Amino acid sequence: ETGVTQTPRHLVMGMTNKKSLKCEQHLGHNAMYWYKQSAKKPLELMFVYSLEERVENNSVPSRFSPECPNSSHLFLHLHTLQPEDSALYLCASSQDGAQTAYGYTFGSGTRLTVV
Amino acid sequence: GDSVTQMEGPVTLSEEACLTINCTYTATGYPSLFWYVQYPGEGLQLLLKATKADDKGSNKGFEATYRKETTSFHLEKGSVQVSDSAVYFCALSDSTSGSRLTFGEGTQLTVNP
Repeated sequence: ETGVTQTPRHLVMGMTNKKSLKCEQHLGHNAMYWYKQSAKKPLELMFVYSLEERVENNSVPSRFSPECPNSSHLFLHLHTLQPEDSALYLCASSQDGAQTAYGYTFGSGTRLTVV
Repeated sequence: GDSVTQMEGPVTLSEEACLTINCTYTATGYPSLFWYVQYPGEGLQLLLKATKADDKGSNKGFEATYRKETTSFHLEKGSVQVSDSAVYFCALSDSTSGSRLTFGEGTQLTVNP
């Protein structure tokens, strides 16, 4: 148990579906992150939330829509995805200002397959 | 800006071989340095860290020393096991540029029995 829980672990969806990925942390952290990890590619930072406000959005297509209702929960809403969006989606959390001491804590990821 | 460069993989070793995965960095200030490990089908886990020059991080038989003069943080293990097969990521956190982690591209390690 890493302290960051992601659900579901696996998701298969059609290109016309709408689904959501969920991330939950009970570490008392105040920053949360979504990363995309595709095969043979570097980690791609998608979104950063700090104190429940989105502070970074790295040119992510609008078919990905994040939501952070409170400091413990982070969602990634998906709609009309493309096959190239198939990847492992990782959530992470940290205490803002303490990253140099403690780094990030990652969840186990959601393996998404778009068919 | 900050950056991390890791040696290209994949790396394939036999069990009990010595491992070195090179990592060099560029940073504005004096960053903290991390190694993360990702086992198949899992997320990234913190393996070890060092927060200042000459510090040595160690865990599970792995070691890395923060070398400011060569801006390096190479990961080493004297005798690898099959269970060490994973992807290893070097990362830095620099308080002068917001403290967000910057990751290297990852190095795939496969250890054969």
